[in-house]
Amino acid sequence: GQQLNQSPQSMFIQEGEDVSMNCTSSSIFNTWLWYKQDPGEGPVLLIALYKAGELTSNGRLTAQFGITRKDSFLNISASIPSDVGIYFCAGRVTGANSKLTFGKGITLSVRP
Amino acid sequence: EAQVTQNPRYLITVTGKKLTVTCSQNMNHEYMSWYRQDPGLGLRQIYYSMNVEVTDKGDVPEGYKVSRKEKRNFPLILESPSPNQTSLYFCASSLGGAANEQYFGPGTRLTVT
Repeated sequence: GQQLNQSPQSMFIQEGEDVSMNCTSSSIFNTWLWYKQDPGEGPVLLIALYKAGELTSNGRLTAQFGITRKDSFLNISASIPSDVGIYFCAGRVTGANSKLTFGKGITLSVRP
Repeated sequence: EAQVTQNPRYLITVTGKKLTVTCSQNMNHEYMSWYRQDPGLGLRQIYYSMNVEVTDKGDVPEGYKVSRKEKRNFPLILESPSPNQTSLYFCASSLGGAANEQYFGPGTRLTVT
């Protein structure tokens, strides 16, 4: 089945730094979503992308839908301590209306 | 406030004792889904529903049942829980009868001893 690859599993950055996360697949997706999960909470939708090449921002977050439709990235600029959490990518394969495929997530730590 | 609610948030039970985790959304969403989240395995879909009275298996449906009698509610039923169902469970919903932007509940942490 479809898989979404996120690596590394963990990232450690200094407060104020920018960080970029990739999500890749061997399948073509028509929707890319980025979620953040805080400890003890459910994932929260950050950004949704629907067109190849689309670049969308939400505050300090920017995400892009890759031209090949097989990847997406999320960029966080000027990180702050509350950016700590697990970042998941999710996507929907063309024609597969019934499910989203999720990556396993990247745990982000921000050192003050 | 638009939200997905789950109850209970925490549950400790014993093997074989039937339980139900409730899920309700107030956004008039057609699509609802249940996931379990386990360390190293990420989010795995258990069951989903694309509308009232329409349910189907996800990737890990064994040992679970669901029903969708009303649009807003999508309970998850464990008829005979076993320790390997100890997990963190999330309900999610999205607008339209497809898996679009999904909004998640706060989670239910289940421990089966």
